[in-house]
Amino acid sequence: SSELTQDPAVSVALGQTVRITCQGDSLRSYYASWYQQKPGQAPVLVIYGKNNRPSGIPDRFSGSSSGNTASLTITGAQAEDEADYYCNSRDSSGNHRRVFGGGTKLTVL
Amino acid sequence: EVQLVESGGGLVQPGGSLRLSCAASGFTFSSYEMNWVRQAPGKGLEWVSYISSSGSTIYYADSVKGRFTISRDNAKNSLYLQMNSLRAEDTAVYYCARDVVVAIDYWGQGTLVTVSS
Repeated sequence: SSELTQDPAVSVALGQTVRITCQGDSLRSYYASWYQQKPGQAPVLVIYGKNNRPSGIPDRFSGSSSGNTASLTITGAQAEDEADYYCNSRDSSGNHRRVFGGGTKLTVL
Repeated sequence: EVQLVESGGGLVQPGGSLRLSCAASGFTFSSYEMNWVRQAPGKGLEWVSYISSSGSTIYYADSVKGRFTISRDNAKNSLYLQMNSLRAEDTAVYYCARDVVVAIDYWGQGTLVTVSS
């Protein structure tokens, strides 16, 4: 099986830029997808593929990848961006299993 | 509008069984792969199971293999998760989630399963 590793917590000043990272062997073969989850709510997809945003996701959210590391960048963080963020990818075994990172709690100061 | 609505959660004793359902609407259910994902209280997301659009291909997380069974009824636009031999560590919110290969693009609101005596 695969694992994806995220920093447990990150903080950013209002209006500044923050990068949340995700590391794992599966990311050498598959792009990560990123999910935002606010308390009491279901996760919401914010980035998928090379750097794609679903309809309705602000363009301050962007994604990138290099080697075994995927990153989610929020440029000009807003108060409403405070949430938990999870990365996800297919398992490195090549089947349809999925693996999630442990999540990063983003605090906007 | 895509909607996924889970039901069937509740309180069950250790060793017991529960069947979760997910009613899908707003898209052609039979064309999409589906997953169950769970989240224990205060914890992160954990992938549980996958089923292909036809139901012919199925995968499980090691933590539930042999105890849980995923299935679907495309005629009823429904996804199911039969959970047997439940343990305290299975306590979680269970989400039904649509798979589009590159991501899980839609999630239900979740249903809470509590395993306790």
